[in-house]
Amino acid sequence: EDQVTQSPEALRLQEGESSSLNCSYTVSGLRGLFWYRQDPGKGPEFLFTLYSAGEEKEKERLKATLTKKESFLHITAPKPEDSATYLCAASRHVNNDMRFGAGTRLTVKP
Amino acid sequence: GAVVSQHPSWVICKSGTSVKIECRSLDFQATTMFWYRQFPKQSLMLMATSNEGSKATYEQGVEKDKFLINHASLTLSTLTVTSAHPEDSSFYICSATVRETQYFGPGTRLLVL
Repeated sequence: EDQVTQSPEALRLQEGESSSLNCSYTVSGLRGLFWYRQDPGKGPEFLFTLYSAGEEKEKERLKATLTKKESFLHITAPKPEDSATYLCAASRHVNNDMRFGAGTRLTVKP
Repeated sequence: GAVVSQHPSWVICKSGTSVKIECRSLDFQATTMFWYRQFPKQSLMLMATSNEGSKATYEQGVEKDKFLINHASLTLSTLTVTSAHPEDSSFYICSATVRETQYFGPGTRLLVL
C-alpha cells in the first residue's frame, strides 16, 4: 500500500538553529515528490517538486533533497516566519493524484 | 505560480441543508481539479478527482451521492455537500494541476450545526 510518512510530527527550533524534516515514502510508480508549506487556516503553498533520486532544489533558507526512499527538507538558519506545517506528498504515474504525509509542525522561536 | 480561488472561505449551516463550494482557476485552465478535506491537525485526505465534462472519480469510502461534484467548465469545479450533518464539518480544499504540480485554493471551512 502506498504510504507517505513524515517525521518528526512536531519540531521546535530556536531562531538560527538549522535542522531537517524527513519524508519517507513507499509509492509504486512515483511520478514526483512535492513539498508544501501550510499556515493555519490556509491552503498549502507549493514549495518544491523533485522527480528523481539525487535531485536537489533550493529556495531561500530551504533545500529539498530526494533519494529512492525518502526526501529531506533542510532548513538553514530558520526565522520565526518559517513557522508552519510542512507537508510532503507523492504523486503516482497512474492517476497523478497525490498522497500526503501527516506533516511536520515547525515552530521557530525568536 | 498558478492561482486557485475558493468561495466561500467559510460557511455555517444547519443540519440537513446543502452547501455548495466553488473552486476556480483564475489564470489558467484546468481539465482536472482535486477535492480534499482536512480535519484539525491532520493531513489532507483526497476525496475525489473532478474532470471537466465528465463524472468525478471518488476515493474509496467517499459517498458520491453526498458529495456532488460538477466540473462544468475549464475554470470552475463545485462541490456540494448534500444534507449536511455535524460530522461533515471540516476544512475543504481544492487544487488544480499545472505541469504536474498541484496548486491549492485557500480552503473553505464548513461548520454544520
